Amino acid sequence: GDSVTQTEGQVALSEEDFLTIHCNYSASGYPTLFWYVQYPGEGPQLLFRASRDKEKGSSRGFEATYDKGTTSFHLRKASVQESDSAVYYCALSDLSSSFSKLVFGQGTSLSVVP
Amino acid sequence: EAAVTQSPRNKVAVTGGKVTLSCNQTNNHNNMYWYRQDTGHGLRLIHYSYGAGSTEKGDIPDGYKASRPSQENFSLILELATPSQTSVYFCASGDWTGKDTQYFGPGTRLLVL
Repeated sequence: GDSVTQTEGQVALSEEDFLTIHCNYSASGYPTLFWYVQYPGEGPQLLFRASRDKEKGSSRGFEATYDKGTTSFHLRKASVQESDSAVYYCALSDLSSSFSKLVFGQGTSLSVVP
Repeated sequence: EAAVTQSPRNKVAVTGGKVTLSCNQTNNHNNMYWYRQDTGHGLRLIHYSYGAGSTEKGDIPDGYKASRPSQENFSLILELATPSQTSVYFCASGDWTGKDTQYFGPGTRLLVL
């Protein structure tokens, strides 16, 4: 079945550091890819999505590019802030299902210190 | 206004007891989902529904039932709660017109003693 792998379980950075969270997927066809962010005490919320090869999604200074060749959708931000501390989930739409379903990665906990 | 709400937000239950988690959405979405969140596993799908009266098994349905009495409401039922069901549970709604995007509630933290 489809799957999503996030390499980093936890990331600790200082403010203004560059962020990369790696996301690789395994799926047939062209799934839509998503990044969700979850702040403490809240449910996950959509950060952005991308549906086609080479499409860039972006929001709040975060960005990721859909790369079908390397089956990746890595999350990047040039300069993180303390307010970016959260859990980040990469996900894909499961095209093998006749029903709209998402498959999530394990999540990456980002901690940013001043 | 919060479009997906969950109740209760926190619950302590005893082993063998019955637990019902409730979810309400005002997005008018056809699809609703129940997930559990555990460290190292991310979000895993328990049950889902594509409309009032329908429930379908997700990836980890054992020990759980679901009920969708209306478009707005979707419940998760633990008939005989076990300590392994201690987790944080999230409800979500979505629609194919939103390109598979799902909208999550704030979660319910369940502790089974």
